[in-house]
Amino acid sequence: GESVGLHLPTLSVQEGDNSIINCAYSNSASDYFIWYKQESGKGPQFIIDIRSNMDKRQGQRVTVLLNKTVKHLSLQIAATQPGDSAVYFCAEKGPANQFYFGTGTSLTVIP
Amino acid sequence: EAGVVQSPRYKIIEKKQPVAFWCNPISGHNTLYWYRQNLGQGPELLIRYENEEAVDDSQLPKDRFSAERLKGVDSTLKIQPAELGDSAVYLCASSPRSLQDTEAFFGQGTRLTVV
Repeated sequence: GESVGLHLPTLSVQEGDNSIINCAYSNSASDYFIWYKQESGKGPQFIIDIRSNMDKRQGQRVTVLLNKTVKHLSLQIAATQPGDSAVYFCAEKGPANQFYFGTGTSLTVIP
Repeated sequence: EAGVVQSPRYKIIEKKQPVAFWCNPISGHNTLYWYRQNLGQGPELLIRYENEEAVDDSQLPKDRFSAERLKGVDSTLKIQPAELGDSAVYLCASSPRSLQDTEAFFGQGTRLTVV
């Protein structure tokens, strides 16, 4: 199968600071990527997506950066809030139109 | 609009017993996925449906797992017999059509504990 991995399994940030979560993917043919947020006891929730013809996309307080040269994806959360505490997954859409998920990064926001 | 609905939320069974999970996707979504999520890991695809057709079941352990999506709407995932290693969260997701670049919407999952 495909390999979508994360550099850091855990991340702790102070409330109000910016957070950066990184992800590496292995299939250079993948052309669509999603960041999901998963809170305890819930299913993954869509945050933001990006297609391979873009290198940056912004949402509300979130920005996704895509570097196809090194097959790297990052999620930036501005002014991190306690409600942002969760596990974040990047997902890669493979050539067979299925999503491959990484292990996830657990983000803890310290008040 | 209701999201993806799964039931039950929790299930505890003894090993060797059968178990079934039910999923109602978002109305109009042609694509339905079943994922398994082990503790501390990301979801892993078990099976993907396009309408009523299973187009990708390569990761489904067919000796004990089965799934169906009659009429291309609701779906059930069954395990018979269950083993201790099947303890996990089983997630159902749907999307309008997998050939489009659109996210999959997830249900809350069924947490299975096999004892």
